[in-house]
Amino acid sequence: AQSVTQPDIHITVSEGASLELRCNYSYGATPYLFWYVQSPGQGLQLLLKYFSGDTLVQGIKGFEAEFKRSQSSFNLRKPSVHWSDAAEYFCAVGGGIGDMRFGAGTRLTVKP
Amino acid sequence: DVKVTQSSRYLVKRTGEKVFLECVQDMDHENMFWYRQDPGLGLRLIYFSYDVKMKEKGDIPEGYSVSREKKERFSLILESASTNQTSMYLCASISSMNTEAFFGQGTRLTVV
Repeated sequence: AQSVTQPDIHITVSEGASLELRCNYSYGATPYLFWYVQSPGQGLQLLLKYFSGDTLVQGIKGFEAEFKRSQSSFNLRKPSVHWSDAAEYFCAVGGGIGDMRFGAGTRLTVKP
Repeated sequence: DVKVTQSSRYLVKRTGEKVFLECVQDMDHENMFWYRQDPGLGLRLIYFSYDVKMKEKGDIPEGYSVSREKKERFSLILESASTNQTSMYLCASISSMNTEAFFGQGTRLTVV
């Protein structure tokens, strides 16, 4: 069965610094990969997704992610973090109906 | 604007009560999901449905059942609520192309 690992439970970065959130997945075929963000008290919002093609995908709010098949990774990056980016971030993998699985999440704190 | 609506944001129920969590989507999606979200565990799939009257168990179905009598509505039922079912419950809807999951705002259930 597919699974997702987010190694970092909590990350703190200073405002304006760069950010990278790690995601590793296990899946038997070519996966669909997603990053979602959850602000406090809110549901999840899609940041970006990868299905095929260019391995560097752009998302909303200035985020991007790179799919590396050899490393089974799909890390999320942002060159300059804003205070409003403080939230919880979830990586997800899916391949078919009912297959979507989420990681445990990484909570991002932004220092002023 | 696409929408997934969960009937309650907050619920408090007593141990042993039968609890119904309702979810409605207006996107005509075939697939609907129920997850529970707990700190450090991410989102865990309880049940999903890929068509009316069809349901499949997810990773943690014990203590739960579901109902999908109409395409737009997917209900989660706690047959006899227990304190270990205190959690945030998230409903999601996905098209058959599995491109993106749309989430409701969540229901925070407390069982006392």
